[in-house]
Amino acid sequence: QIQLVQSGAEVKPPGASVKLSCKTSGYTFTTYGISWVRQAPGQGLEWMGWISGYNDNTQYAQRFQGRVTMTRDTSTSTAYMELRSLRSDDTAVYYCARDEAGQVPDYWGQGTLVTVSS
Amino acid sequence: SYVLTQPPSVSVAPGKPATITCGGNNIGSKGVHWYRQKPGQAPVLVISYDSDRPSGIPERFSGSNSGNTATLTISRVEAGDEADYYCQVWESSSDHVVFGGGTKLTVL
Repeated sequence: QIQLVQSGAEVKPPGASVKLSCKTSGYTFTTYGISWVRQAPGQGLEWMGWISGYNDNTQYAQRFQGRVTMTRDTSTSTAYMELRSLRSDDTAVYYCARDEAGQVPDYWGQGTLVTVSS
Repeated sequence: SYVLTQPPSVSVAPGKPATITCGGNNIGSKGVHWYRQKPGQAPVLVISYDSDRPSGIPERFSGSNSGNTATLTISRVEAGDEADYYCQVWESSSDHVVFGGGTKLTVL
């Protein structure tokens, strides 16, 4: 079955960087891209960006441009998302989701809680 | 940027139909997708491209989209349907995914 398993919770001080992983299985990794979506405590879903399954093409939400990098490792079917210059309002659960064309996230990982605190 | 507007909350009695709306400028020209999120869980896609049900989603879930409003309907609500529901579109001009603010469905 299709699974996306994300890395564990992180606690980071303001100004630091965090790199999250999303290991996939149950489908052909290179056929589908990965979207990253975050959810601040008690808030709604916010799309951060997408990386293609075919190549390294990315599309980032404007508000994260310059602060986020999405990468992938086809040898391990794993996607990564790095967010830099962390602020307290980056505290959120971060989800990866399978997304063929960067339009419809269909299968989601379990989420990773990132807490930004001094 | 494109804005999707959902009512913050909807309440319905068990066995009754629930309707959750998603408003957007000419949203009828876009494909609308709906997600259910239960507390502490990841979102689950329940309707894609306006009205398609993914495998495993009960027939009680249906969707429609026309004009400036898309609608998710749950025909006979059960206690287990209590969750937050989000609509989502892909905005072609920006090549961005956009989510609505979410609607909390309460089963009375």
